[in-house]
Amino acid sequence: DTEVTQTPKHLVMGMTNKKSLKCEQHMGHRAMYWYKQKAKKPPELMFVYSYEKLSINESVPSRFSPECPNSSLLNLHLHALQPEDSALYLCASSQGQEYQPQHFGDGTRLSIL
Amino acid sequence: GQNIDQPTEMTATEGAIVQINCTYQTSGFNGLFWYQQHAGEAPTFLSYNVLDGLEEKGRFSSFLSRSKGYSYLLLKELQMKDSASYLCAVKDSNYQLIWGAGTKLIIKP
Repeated sequence: DTEVTQTPKHLVMGMTNKKSLKCEQHMGHRAMYWYKQKAKKPPELMFVYSYEKLSINESVPSRFSPECPNSSLLNLHLHALQPEDSALYLCASSQGQEYQPQHFGDGTRLSIL
Repeated sequence: GQNIDQPTEMTATEGAIVQINCTYQTSGFNGLFWYQQHAGEAPTFLSYNVLDGLEEKGRFSSFLSRSKGYSYLLLKELQMKDSASYLCAVKDSNYQLIWGAGTKLIIKP
């Protein structure tokens, strides 16, 4: 069982839809991450929040918009996505950004029609 | 550039021991991490090393030599459920994880 909870587990949306992915952790971790993972590839970092502030944005297209409402929650707002955005979206958290391991949620499997 | 190398695929027998190697060249080093990932699932944290030496966690151990840019993950008493991909990742000078492509481990009865 993971202590990082992601919802929904699966999402199918059209290219004109707006949807949000949610992530929650109650481990008191101060760093939270969004990753995108394609089949048989390692995770690709999208965004990092440290102490609720966006610290890293890996040149992600603006159709992906992150939000960190508080230290336990992380959202990823999706709008006008493309079929190539279909992937597993993973949220992770760690105690801090420096040496501590990241712990992943179960992910959201996203399919764009 | 930054590079992490690990074998693409390995096969081992149930009950045996297997060692998965990882070599790295990164800009800075702030820890090496091993994750297990079953097909279609999220990565699960297994072990990490910041200093040289061996870290043991039950059936899993991880070793690090920073001077050689080398690590291995040792899995003992293999079980069928250990069939998965094993990902090696290094935190660089910016504290970002640089990932290897993963090693697919196949366990045979």
